[in-house]
Formats: sequence, C-alpha cells, structure tokens
Amino acid sequence: GQQLNQSPQSMFIQEGEDVSMNCTSSSIFNTWLWYKQDPGEGPVLLIALYKAGELTSNGRLTAQFGITRKDSFLNISASIPSDVGIYFCAAPAQGGSEKLVFGKGTKLTVNP
Amino acid sequence: DAGVIQSPRHEVTEMGQEVTLRCKPISGHNSLFWYRQTMMRGLELLIYFNNNVPIDDSGMPEDRFSAKMPNASFSTLKIQPSEPRDSAVYFCASSSGTHYGYTFGSGTRLTVV
Repeated sequence: GQQLNQSPQSMFIQEGEDVSMNCTSSSIFNTWLWYKQDPGEGPVLLIALYKAGELTSNGRLTAQFGITRKDSFLNISASIPSDVGIYFCAAPAQGGSEKLVFGKGTKLTVNP
Repeated sequence: DAGVIQSPRHEVTEMGQEVTLRCKPISGHNSLFWYRQTMMRGLELLIYFNNNVPIDDSGMPEDRFSAKMPNASFSTLKIQPSEPRDSAVYFCASSSGTHYGYTFGSGTRLTVV
C-alpha cells in the first residue's frame, strides 16, 4: 500500500534555528498536506500543496511540492518554543476517495 | 465555530467492557473520519462516512469495532468487548470535501486495563 516516509523522526534544536524536514514516497501524488499536532490535541492543517514545484508559505513555515511528485519538504525559520509538536505529512490515498494517508511524523523539540 | 467535538477526552475501562466514543462534526461538513493513533502505527484511518453513509471501513480492526452516523451532527465509535491492545488516542475529523482540509477533534485517550 501507499506509505509516506518522514525524516527525521525527531529533532532537538535551539530557539532561533531553522528547521527542515521531508516526506517521501514511492508513489506519485497530486496533493501534499502538512499538519502539526500540539501535545494533547488533534492535528491542525498548516499548508496544502496542489501542484508539482509549488512553494507555499504560512508565516515562518514554507513547504514545497517536489517536482517528481513523490516528495515534499517543510521548513520552519527562526524557531520559537511554540513550534514544539509533531509534524505530519499527508497525501490522498489512491482511488480518488477523501481518505488521507499520514506519515509517522517528525517530533520537534525547541530548547529556549 | 466550535470545531469538531469529541467526548469523552479520557476513558479508562476494564478489559471486556463496552466503550463508546462520540463525535460532533463541524456543521456543514459532509464527511466524517475516525482515526486511531498509537506510537507504533501512527495515525490509522478506521472508517469514514460521506453524507452519513459509511464509505470505507477497511481500516476497522475487527468485528469488535463498529461505527454509526445516525445523522449529520453525530457519530459514535463503539468497541465491544474492549481489550488492552485497543488503548490509543482516537480522533474524529470532518471535512467539507474540498481540498482535503480535514479538521480534527481533540481526541479521546482510551486506556483499557
């Protein structure tokens, strides 16, 4: 079945540093989504990408839809303590349904 | 907009007991999803409904799990009988069907002892 591989699994950084994480698959997708999950809460949609090569920003967050359509990247600039959480990539499952497949997540820890 | 509302937030039950998790989707959203999150397996889709009709229940682990959506504003996920391996966080999410923008609830943390 379709799998999304996220890396790294976890990151420990200092406040103010930039962060990069990625999501890869052996399957081609037409949509990539990035979610953030705060501790004790459900995931929240951060950025949606719909076109190969697309670069989209949301404040300090920037995500890119890889040109091969098999990967996506998320960057966070000038990290702050509230960036702590788990970041998930997601993409629609095959078959044209509304189902989403999620990666296992990248857990981010920001030290003040 | 109150978002997707799940209850209870936490549930601790003994093995063999029936557990019912509840979800109120966002008004106007016509799709509802139940996900389970564990450390080992991450987020897994259990079942989803469109216009109150179950569309895909291939992720439901076994017959002990059942889900219903009697109307557009309410859904339940039931586990009977519960087992310790069912311990997880269960999320409900809803969508208006456009651009895959799910809105998740805060989840129910289930512990079966």
